[in-house]
Parts: sequence; structure tokens; C-alpha cells
Amino acid sequence: EIVLTQSPGTLSLSPGERATLSCRASQSVSSSYLAWYQQKPGQAPRLLMYGASTRATGIPDRFSGSGSGTDFTLTISRLEPEDFAVYYCQQYGSSPATFGGGTKVEIK
Amino acid sequence: QVQLQESGPGLVKPSQTLSLTCNVSGRSINSGGHYWSWIRQHPGKALEWIGCIYYNGRTHYNPSLKSRVTMSVDPSKNQFSLRLSPVTAADTALYYCARSLCYAGSCYSDSWGQGTLVTVSS
Repeated sequence: EIVLTQSPGTLSLSPGERATLSCRASQSVSSSYLAWYQQKPGQAPRLLMYGASTRATGIPDRFSGSGSGTDFTLTISRLEPEDFAVYYCQQYGSSPATFGGGTKVEIK
Repeated sequence: QVQLQESGPGLVKPSQTLSLTCNVSGRSINSGGHYWSWIRQHPGKALEWIGCIYYNGRTHYNPSLKSRVTMSVDPSKNQFSLRLSPVTAADTALYYCARSLCYAGSCYSDSWGQGTLVTVSS
């Protein structure tokens, strides 16, 4: 199965700053079938991106995704207070679908 | 807007069967186009995809759990279910049901239930 490694484990930033989250796959992700989720404490994950770069319904355009093959990035252009959360990447290009270990974006 | 709600026992004894049901509202399971998934999250840890089912009963399971997992769907009740047996303490987790889009047996999920905690303990 494909192993996803997310870095950094924790990102300490201030509101208004730019956040860059990395997701690296142990082998190429077919057709860029890579999704990103946001999870806040006590809540279910929320789909942010799919197909590596397509925003899900209702996701603000400060969120963007890029990458292909084995290297993918989620960028939050200007952090809003509600963006401080844990972010997971997931590949669904090969079975089984697998998730990364998460990056926590915390307030500095 | 689709909504999903998990239900089932919060405590299961080791070697017994974990059974959960997901009630779907706002969209008919029969309408097609989506699979219906189960995903779990061990305490403080990352997510694990368990498997998914289509309205016609077609399933895809995570190979690591396949020997212990059974999923079923009841379109008349707009519900789908998960059975995991036998369970051990390692199956203690928060279990989510979700609506998914799948490609060659692998899925991402665009709507999630709130999750239900299942503890395996005697």
C-alpha cells in the first residue's frame, strides 16, 4: 500500500501568514488522486481538496493544492483564525486508500 | 444536503462482533453515483479506511481488515452497516461513516458523519 508522509508534524504560524503543508507518497499516486482534509477537535474531517488541486464545495480560495507523482502541497495563502486545525492528505489512486499522519497548524 | 449519523454499541467485548449502522438523510442511497464508506480513527492517531459499499451491494474492503469485515446496505431504510468480527482492543477507535467517490476500489469522502466511539474491552 502507498505510505503518505506529511511534513512538518506541527506548523506554528500567526493569523495572516502563509502555510505550506507537504505530503510525500512512497510511490506515484495514480492520476493525482490526492485529497486533503481539515479536522478540528471533536469534529469529523472536512474535505478541502480532491484531484490534488480541485477545491471541494464551499472551500474558500485561500486554500490551494498542487503536485503530482509523489509530491503534493496544500497552501493556505493567509491563515484565518478558523484555519488552525489538523490537516490530512489521502491518496485514492490505488487500493487501499491511505491517509498521511497529519500536520497540525497551530497559533504561534 | 446529505447528512450521515452513526449508531451502535459503544462497548464491545473482545472476540465479539462490532456492529454499526449509518443512517443517511438528504439523499437516497439508491440514487447512485456515490459509494458509502466506513473510516476509523484510533485515539490521537491518523485515519484508516475500512471499506465501502455501493447501493447494489458491491463492496471494496481494506485488505488488512478484509477477513473480518462485512458491509451491507438497506436502500429501503436508506442505511448501510458495518460488521467487524472478531474484535480486539486494537479495534478501539472512533468510527465514521461517509459518502464517497471511488476509483478502482479506492475512495475519497465528501460528507462525513460525526463519528461514534467504540471501545473494545471486557
